[in-house]
Amino acid sequence: AQSVTQLGSHVSVSEGALVLLRCNYSSSVPPYLFWYVQYPNQGLQLLLKYTSAATLVKGINGFEAEFKKSETSFHLTKPSAHMSDAAEYFCAGALGANNLFFGTGTRLTVIP
Amino acid sequence: DTGVSQNPRHKITKRGQNVTFRCDPISEHNRLYWYRQTLGQGPEFLTYFQNEAQLEKSRLLSDRFSAERPKGSFSTLEIQRTEQGDSAMYLCASSYARLTNTGELFFGEGSRLTVL
Repeated sequence: AQSVTQLGSHVSVSEGALVLLRCNYSSSVPPYLFWYVQYPNQGLQLLLKYTSAATLVKGINGFEAEFKKSETSFHLTKPSAHMSDAAEYFCAGALGANNLFFGTGTRLTVIP
Repeated sequence: DTGVSQNPRHKITKRGQNVTFRCDPISEHNRLYWYRQTLGQGPEFLTYFQNEAQLEKSRLLSDRFSAERPKGSFSTLEIQRTEQGDSAMYLCASSYARLTNTGELFFGEGSRLTVL
């Protein structure tokens, strides 16, 4: 069955440090891949998506992710963390035009 | 505000009662999804509609759950004879999906259900 796995339920970084949130997918066919962010008491918001057009995808708020088929990975990065980046981040996949399947989420804490 | 709207935002009920949640999607979107999110977990797919047709239902959607989208616009999710295990955040999302690509899902803020 298709799924995505997020390594690390909690990640803490210092303000200004690199953010790296890990996501691996399990699917015989590379799915469409997404990163969503959820701020407290808000709905999920799309950060970026991979749809096979380019392996390096740039999203909002300075985030980017690289699709690596050989590693079945789609890790999310940001060069310099900001306090406002503190949130829960979800990796998700989709096969074709169907529904999304989500990872369990990674809570990012940014330390001043 | 032209985003996805969900009501009520919070619902506390006693075990055995019925509850209904409503979702108003973005007006031009043809797809509407329901997800359930419990603490510490990612959203889990429940069901989705394309226009008024319910195209897929998860095994998570027991017989006590029913969803409708009668006119292809708003949708309701009803849970009958609620159980404590139904306590969760119920998320609605909408998208405009064409056959050859997957559209971005726009999520509402969710309806939190607490079953006592």
